[in-house]
Amino acid sequence: DAKTTQPPSMDCAEGRAANLPCNHSTISGNEYVYWYRQIHSQGPQYIIHGLKNNETNEMASLIITEDRKSSTLILPHATLRDTAVYYCIVRGVNDMRFGAGTRLTVKP
Amino acid sequence: DSGVTQTPKHLITATGQRVTLRCSPRSGDLSVYWYQQSLDQGLQFLIQYYNGEERAKGNILERFSAQQFPDLHSELNLSSLELGDSALYFCASSRGGGVYDEQFFGPGTRLTVL
Repeated sequence: DAKTTQPPSMDCAEGRAANLPCNHSTISGNEYVYWYRQIHSQGPQYIIHGLKNNETNEMASLIITEDRKSSTLILPHATLRDTAVYYCIVRGVNDMRFGAGTRLTVKP
Repeated sequence: DSGVTQTPKHLITATGQRVTLRCSPRSGDLSVYWYQQSLDQGLQFLIQYYNGEERAKGNILERFSAQQFPDLHSELNLSSLELGDSALYFCASSRGGGVYDEQFFGPGTRLTVL
């Protein structure tokens, strides 16, 4: 069973920031938070990951709360091509368990 | 394009049959992972190989097996197929085998069992 909880769906206006929340209250000290997305039935695409510090790359920012029980993925300027299912994953030493994800729809 | 290749793209077969799915990792990647994505179960981790050795096992059925060859390509063998095995099967690869490593996913093989 997945260790994360995400809202099943969200909408976002094109050009606005998309903030996708994730709860992972049972995360342990050596587990990372990963975000992937899947567009239609393509292979999932890596977005970002972090342990306890906030992270930013060219695609997104990841904000992890101080107690590490939740995180938020931020797409700063969402485009129509960002419409996808976004998966928040807590990853231990070996396994990577995907939950149901959040279906983000970016609307014009 | 992630650099991970999977063949075939589509596969249609009958119940009780056996099939082999093939995956070539990105150049330089030592780990290969297999995932199954069905409509009712979502994306499930099956198994990981690192440099030819099994590293981690997920929800892989006993009817399924995998191996990684010396050239690092991997095959997933599915036998005694059932209707419920119809799914998308993804392969992913990573440079190493640990938690720091980003996984790159292939385009998937769509298996239909009739």
